[in-house]
Amino acid sequence: QVLLQESGPGLVKPLETLSLTCTVSGDSVSAFYWNWIRQPAGKGLEWIGRFYTNGTTTYNPSLKSRVTMSVDTSKNQVSLRLTSVTAADSAVYYCATGAAKYWGQGTLVTVSS
Amino acid sequence: DIQVTQSPSSLSASIGDRVTITCRTSQTISRSLNWYQQETGKAPKLLIFGATGLQRGVPSRFSGSGSGTVFTLTINGLQPEDFATYHCLQIYSVPLTFGGGTRVEIK
Repeated sequence: QVLLQESGPGLVKPLETLSLTCTVSGDSVSAFYWNWIRQPAGKGLEWIGRFYTNGTTTYNPSLKSRVTMSVDTSKNQVSLRLTSVTAADSAVYYCATGAAKYWGQGTLVTVSS
Repeated sequence: DIQVTQSPSSLSASIGDRVTITCRTSQTISRSLNWYQQETGKAPKLLIFGATGLQRGVPSRFSGSGSGTVFTLTINGLQPEDFATYHCLQIYSVPLTFGGGTRVEIK
């Protein structure tokens, strides 16, 4: 079974860059394509974007100008960078496999000075 | 973008009840819809994939139906552990879009 674990700083200052990593175990990161999804406290789920390990990406238009996704096959990890964050970016961030079958447990990110 | 309208946003039900949740999409998506259960403080858990496929390990009281633009999640015989929030997700086209969620509460 594929297990996913998100990690990263829980607190990010406004206008700085949020960087998260999703470590994959139980299979190769190259076996899937990847999604990042987020959920603000008490709210619904929002798809951030999709990343194929060949480098192809598709981002939510609402975040496209600020998002970058990448892969490190040597570490079996996928990564998310979100620039110029504001309080509206505070959320639990999840990585999930391509058809959103497997999800990580999520990591809470708070944007605050 | 494909809009997903989920209803109801919340419901109260008793143990043993049959519960039905519906998602409607703004465009036809064939059967490209998943259903998830989310307990408080936890990640969503896949229940149904491809509109009707029961994920391995999920109890058979959960079932999905529909195609095109209207989809239904049914729980036959609600159990205490089923009180949670349920989400649908269209995976037909990007951007992927979720329904607003349905909170199932104890009556």
